[in-house]
Amino acid sequence: DTEVTQTPKHLVMGMTNKKSLKCEQHMGHRAMYWYKQKAKKPPELMFVYSYEKLSINESVPSRFSPECPNSSLLNLHLHALQPEDSALYLCASSQERAGGRQSSFFGPGTRLTVL
Amino acid sequence: SQQGEEDPQALSIQEGENATMNCSYKTSINNLQWYRQNSGRGLVHLILIRSNEREKHSGRLRVTLDTSKKSSSLLITASRAADTASYFCATARGAAGNKLTFGGGTRVLVKP
Repeated sequence: DTEVTQTPKHLVMGMTNKKSLKCEQHMGHRAMYWYKQKAKKPPELMFVYSYEKLSINESVPSRFSPECPNSSLLNLHLHALQPEDSALYLCASSQERAGGRQSSFFGPGTRLTVL
Repeated sequence: SQQGEEDPQALSIQEGENATMNCSYKTSINNLQWYRQNSGRGLVHLILIRSNEREKHSGRLRVTLDTSKKSSSLLITASRAADTASYFCATARGAAGNKLTFGGGTRVLVKP
């Protein structure tokens, strides 16, 4: 199974809502990532988890809260978002020791709209 | 900030023609990767070229790497309508994981 799944596919939320994005992989990858992609822009790294521990936070605002409950799951909790946070949120996974020598596997993304 | 810049930003060709896009990067790399993204969906890995390789082929794809110029190119031969997508180069930083920094991307439209 070389698939990364993400739910939901689309999410519309108000600025006072709390919601969560979910990501799952069963490839045994111990590194998982959240990327944010605005329209017609490249993906930008947000968070990196290594062996279920947060290893990198790319200065992401605290209204985004990642969580890695186990080696297969990655969540992104959203609270008090702003309209400018509307974007495609991509989850990815890779071997932890990839060091760029192996590819990442990406999920299909969650299209988030903040009203 | 982006590691790489891609050129051109957009490309429109007829089916059967070749498509070439270029990527430049700023820092030293171990490897460079190319990904494809169809219409706002997830990215699909196409090919990885190591820093000690100059050229690599995979099916209709040909990638070159010039580390002295810090640049790479992706050639798609005999393009098909299904090749319509955005193409991104990406470099990984650090020894652990695959923390990717993407170039700006090239949007390719293949007209039937």
